[in-house]
Amino acid sequence: AQTVTQSQPEMSVQEAETVTLSCTYDTSESDYYLFWYKQPPSRQMILVIRQEAYKQQNATENRFSVNFQKAAKSFSLKISDSQLGDAAMYFCAYRSAVGAGNQFYFGTGTSLTVIP
Amino acid sequence: DAGITQSPRHKVTETGTPVTLRCHQTENHRYMYWYRQDPGHGLRLIHYSYGVKDTDKGEVSDGYSVSRSKTEDFLLTLESATSSQTSVYFCAISGGKVYGYTFGSGTRLTVV
Repeated sequence: AQTVTQSQPEMSVQEAETVTLSCTYDTSESDYYLFWYKQPPSRQMILVIRQEAYKQQNATENRFSVNFQKAAKSFSLKISDSQLGDAAMYFCAYRSAVGAGNQFYFGTGTSLTVIP
Repeated sequence: DAGITQSPRHKVTETGTPVTLRCHQTENHRYMYWYRQDPGHGLRLIHYSYGVKDTDKGEVSDGYSVSRSKTEDFLLTLESATSSQTSVYFCAISGGKVYGYTFGSGTRLTVV
């Protein structure tokens, strides 16, 4: 089974500053998808950003971007211009591209605090 | 999230009692999943379904069973609840491998 590691249980950032959340994964596959999910106190899981492993270009979604390093098996999330609403738990997830209904493998999460 | 609902949202039950959690989707997706979320463990797969009456085990399936008699409904049953099953349970649906999951709003289950 694939493993996903988030080595930062907690992070904090000043409002309007930039923060980077780390994620590494272990796989022998060459084709897969990587995701970041946000879980605010409401408990709802919200998709933040997605990256296909075959694409070299890093995905971006407004203030959210990733640094995907395939050889290093690293997938970090950068949040620019942090806002109070960004405070949440963030989960990194891996999904194989082989087959159709493959499960996600999740990291243990990083709790992000935004300081006003 | 739109298209997927879980019930109940909260439940407290006693050790040894059976419990059933329900997941209902209106997206007509083939794949449905049950995860549990625990501090320090992230989300771990309990069971999943790839069609009506087609289910399989995940990494933490002991003590749980599932059923899917209709495309839209996926039930998770704890046959005899234990305190170790106190957790937040999420249902998720997927339209295919290129897509992310859509999650339900979760069920917080407390076994006392």
